[in-house]
Amino acid sequence: QKEVEQNSGPLSVPEGAIASLNCTYSDRGSQSFFWYRQYSGKSPELIMFIYSNGDKEDGRFTAQLNKASQYVSLLIRDSQPSDSATYLCAVNQGYALNFGKGTSLLVTP
Amino acid sequence: NAGVTQTPKFQVLKTGQSMTLQCAQDMNHNSMYWYRQDPGMGLRLIYYSASEGTTDKGEVPNGYNVSRLNKREFSLRLESAAPSQTSVYFCASSEQLNTEAFFGQGTRLTVV
Repeated sequence: QKEVEQNSGPLSVPEGAIASLNCTYSDRGSQSFFWYRQYSGKSPELIMFIYSNGDKEDGRFTAQLNKASQYVSLLIRDSQPSDSATYLCAVNQGYALNFGKGTSLLVTP
Repeated sequence: NAGVTQTPKFQVLKTGQSMTLQCAQDMNHNSMYWYRQDPGMGLRLIYYSASEGTTDKGEVPNGYNVSRLNKREFSLRLESAAPSQTSVYFCASSEQLNTEAFFGQGTRLTVV
């Protein structure tokens, strides 16, 4: 089983700041990368996906992919307390998505 | 548009009992998955179905069976529940394998 690694956190940022979440993966053959948000007691919710090297922006969220270095990151601008959740990185691996264990983000007012 | 619907939401079983978790999607997706999520372990794939009529083992299939009843429905069966199967179970679907997956609301299962 190839690895998807995330720092478990918690990552604490003040309201209005930029939160930076990172993920590394071991399978060089991976082509698709996803970020999910999971609130406590709820199911994972897709935020963004990225397939190509570089940046992809969607509102306050930016996904960054560097295949040569095998990392993918998620930036959350103007962080809000409602962004407090666990963020899961997922990478395609053969037949399904392989998930990291998630990073807990806490945005403090 | 309900998306992915799982039943039941909560269940308590005694060791050795059997049960089936139901999952249905209304997005006309080809691929469906069952994951379990445990504290400190993340989401682990139990079984998946690439398309109607096919099922395959994932990372942790022991103790489980699945049925892809039709394109919409994918059920997970525990034949003889064990305390190690206490977990939160998520069903998910995607248009094709390895594309973005959408999750049901989960089933919290406790085996005592």
